Amino acid sequence: EDKVVQSPLSLVVHEGDTVTLNCSYEVTNFRSLLWYKQEKKAPTFLFMLTSSGIEKKSGRLSSILDKKELFSILNITATQTGDSAIYLCAVEAGDTGNQFYFGTGTSLTVIP
Amino acid sequence: NAGVMQNPRHLVRRRGQEARLRCSPMKGHSHVYWYRQLPEEGLKFMVYLQKENIIDESGMPKERFSAEFPKEGPSILRIQQVVRGDSAAYFCASSPRQGNEQFFGPGTRLTVL
Repeated sequence: EDKVVQSPLSLVVHEGDTVTLNCSYEVTNFRSLLWYKQEKKAPTFLFMLTSSGIEKKSGRLSSILDKKELFSILNITATQTGDSAIYLCAVEAGDTGNQFYFGTGTSLTVIP
Repeated sequence: NAGVMQNPRHLVRRRGQEARLRCSPMKGHSHVYWYRQLPEEGLKFMVYLQKENIIDESGMPKERFSAEFPKEGPSILRIQQVVRGDSAAYFCASSPRQGNEQFFGPGTRLTVL
């Protein structure tokens, strides 16, 4: 059964800490892995990863994919209160693509 | 406890036809959200509904699109007179209350010929 599992489910850190969020998956015909940040209503796209071992960076956020071990990590350095959100991992898979499997998310709370 | 269910998983329509997408939230969840994912883009919020009420439809096109979440039965996203630009993956998510984590369904892939 295709699935995406995120850990931890929730996390509370202090400003300035570094956090690592995990996403593991088991899917048929993997195509890409996507990370989203969800505040309020609409998830915000962060990264799309298709190749193993290539780190993607955007400011204090970075992510990498390991297609051999079937997981991805999202790192956030020097966390700020504005980083508080739910971080969603999704995997695109399937013979014709366009089948998306979402994890339930990691809820991150950054306290001052 | 079954997850969020969406059907159909794939839907093909010709221009001008109607598309109906269904979403059954998780048991005990009374909040439903619809999103659209266009090729090469992230998820875009469309509408947020509670049972029998539309709470926020700010992300939904004003014409041809409508959504409902009746007291009984699934939530329906309806697209009238579809055009090629409507081709996308449509995702539904549910939560037990506002502000909680949303659980996503597998999506419906709409292709307009």
